Amino acid sequence: DIQMTQSPSSVSASVGDRVTITCRASHDISNWLAWYRQRPGKAPELLIYAASRLQSGVHARFSGSGSGTDFSLTITSLQPDDFATYYCQRANTFPLTFGPGTKVDIK
Amino acid sequence: QLQLQQSGPGLVKPLETLSLTCTVSGDSINRRSYFWGWIRQPPGKGLEWLGNIHYSGDTYYNPSLRSRLTISVDTSKNQFSLNLRSVTAADTALYLCARLESIEVRPDVFYHYGMDVWGQGTTVTVSS
Repeated sequence: DIQMTQSPSSVSASVGDRVTITCRASHDISNWLAWYRQRPGKAPELLIYAASRLQSGVHARFSGSGSGTDFSLTITSLQPDDFATYYCQRANTFPLTFGPGTKVDIK
Repeated sequence: QLQLQQSGPGLVKPLETLSLTCTVSGDSINRRSYFWGWIRQPPGKGLEWLGNIHYSGDTYYNPSLRSRLTISVDTSKNQFSLNLRSVTAADTALYLCARLESIEVRPDVFYHYGMDVWGQGTTVTVSS
């Protein structure tokens, strides 16, 4: 099965900062990758699908890029709601493995 | 507006079966472009994909749980369910249901966009 890794595992940042998180797949998944934000005590929220497409209703400060095995999620101008854990997920075929997560906390 | 409402017990005894149901409101579960699934999150850990089902009945499971897990759909009630057998303390987790939006790239071959609508979550503890 395809394994998903993320880096860093955690990052400290301030409101207004730009943050980039990377995700790597162990095999080529083309652009079939999704990104989620999970705030403490809440269900995950879909941010990005197909590697770079912004989910309806999600703020444009979130952007995604990449294809093949290497992907990234960028948050420009971090907001208080963005202190959360972010997960990537392969989305081509089952099993839909999640990455281990990247926690963004307050510096 | 589509909503997913989870129901089921929050406490299950070891070696018994964990059963949860997710009821879909605001749309029909009989939509070709959607799968319905379960995810869990042990305390303090990351997300684990458990499995998905299509209204047609096609199911897809996490290989590590395949021998203990059954996901079923009841289209007449617009709901789908999870049954996890022979549970242990390692199955203690927050369980979430979600809709998976998909695209048919070839006849009967689906790729997926992502899980766009989620249930409220059920914290399940396995303990005697």
